[in-house]
Amino acid sequence: NAGVTQTPKFQVLKTGQSMTLQCAQDMNHNSMYWYRQDPGMGLRLIYYSASEGTTDKGEVPNGYNVSRLNKREFSLRLESAAPSQTSVYFCASRTVWGGADTQYFGPGTRLTVL
Amino acid sequence: ILNVEQSPQSLHVQEGDSTNFTCSFPSSNFYALHWYRWETAKSPEALFVMTLNGDEKKKGRISATLNTKEGYSYLYIKGSQPEDSATYLCASLHGSSNTGKLIFGQGTTLQVKP
Repeated sequence: NAGVTQTPKFQVLKTGQSMTLQCAQDMNHNSMYWYRQDPGMGLRLIYYSASEGTTDKGEVPNGYNVSRLNKREFSLRLESAAPSQTSVYFCASRTVWGGADTQYFGPGTRLTVL
Repeated sequence: ILNVEQSPQSLHVQEGDSTNFTCSFPSSNFYALHWYRWETAKSPEALFVMTLNGDEKKKGRISATLNTKEGYSYLYIKGSQPEDSATYLCASLHGSSNTGKLIFGQGTTLQVKP
């Protein structure tokens, strides 16, 4: 089991460029999430997918789009990157099993927008 | 807007000291409180999930309590060790468990000196 994987690990973009962050999980979880982490601000939810075929906005969705390609994969797209999107991005998947509700996080993607 | 606050922001202790941190969350429509441990250069890992007022959970030297009426949770570490050095995140869930939308605090960073 690889758990939650993210690609790329690092990325530098120029303002206005676009890119897609990839996330995949092999744990057969229904729900998946995209967070961003900025200094002093904790993790903030960008978008989530409660189940395959559904996506919803989180706390900070502006400037992002998502696609739940299938049960395994949940991608995050920046159409026109801005310096304010410089951050570390984490993908997570969630299991609710036997009363335990747990999110499993990927290793993160460190994005810098110049 | 729901807000989760953690204190202190950072903590430096000597090996062997016991320590505790606080997580304050909105008590309205509360569903669950999560604690995560986040080591530098790694992904957050789940420690505890608590739902009922008065809940106590323990894992080794780490324990947590929950007060849903006043909206706070404490995390205790007994006899801190250098390997306990990490950022400890709490996150609350409100409404229902359907979406799993966690609201994270900004974290408490613990450094344990040998």
